[in-house]
Amino acid sequence: SQKIEQNSEALNIQEGKTATLTCNYTNYSPAYLQWYRQDPGRGPVFLLLIRENEKEKRKERLKVTFDTTLKQSLFHITASQPADSATYLCALPGGGTSYGKLTFGQGTILTVHP
Amino acid sequence: NAGVTQTPKFRVLKTGQSMTLLCAQDMNHEYMYWYRQDPGMGLRLIHYSVGEGTTAKGEVPDGYNVSRLKKQNFLLGLESAAPSQTSVYFCASSYWSQGNYGYTFGSGTRLTVV
Repeated sequence: SQKIEQNSEALNIQEGKTATLTCNYTNYSPAYLQWYRQDPGRGPVFLLLIRENEKEKRKERLKVTFDTTLKQSLFHITASQPADSATYLCALPGGGTSYGKLTFGQGTILTVHP
Repeated sequence: NAGVTQTPKFRVLKTGQSMTLLCAQDMNHEYMYWYRQDPGMGLRLIHYSVGEGTTAKGEVPDGYNVSRLKKQNFLLGLESAAPSQTSVYFCASSYWSQGNYGYTFGSGTRLTVV
């Protein structure tokens, strides 16, 4: 069955450092992968989408890589700030008749300490 | 532009009672989804809809029913609530072409069944 694993349930880093979050998947051949941010008591917010033919994508201080051979995506936040503290979720679409439905990882809780 | 609006935000039900959660979106999105989020389980898809008048089962559909009579609204019903349905419920919507866009989530409904 399809499975998504986000390494490190919780990640603690110092302000100014780069945070790196990992998303691994098995039994998938996704056409794209998405990353979301979720703050306590709020719904997830879409951050970035990377397609299978893109190795890297950037948006301001965010960078996402997508290695379809390793079946892994890395999500980087450079020059991290306390305001970046949140839960980050990766998500992949199903294939075939389930195309369009996203399956989410359990998330990594990031805490950036001042 | 309100995005995705969920009502109510909080609700306490007694076992066996019924209720309907309302999701409304004003972005003309084709697809709509209902997820539940539980500690340690992540977001799990309950039901989804790929257009007005259509619905389909997700990963955990038992005990829930849905309707999409209007494109902008997606209703989630609990006919006979059980304590196992205590959760935070999120509605989301997206364009049909998810390879370009992410989901837009509502702020959630926190449901407690006693």
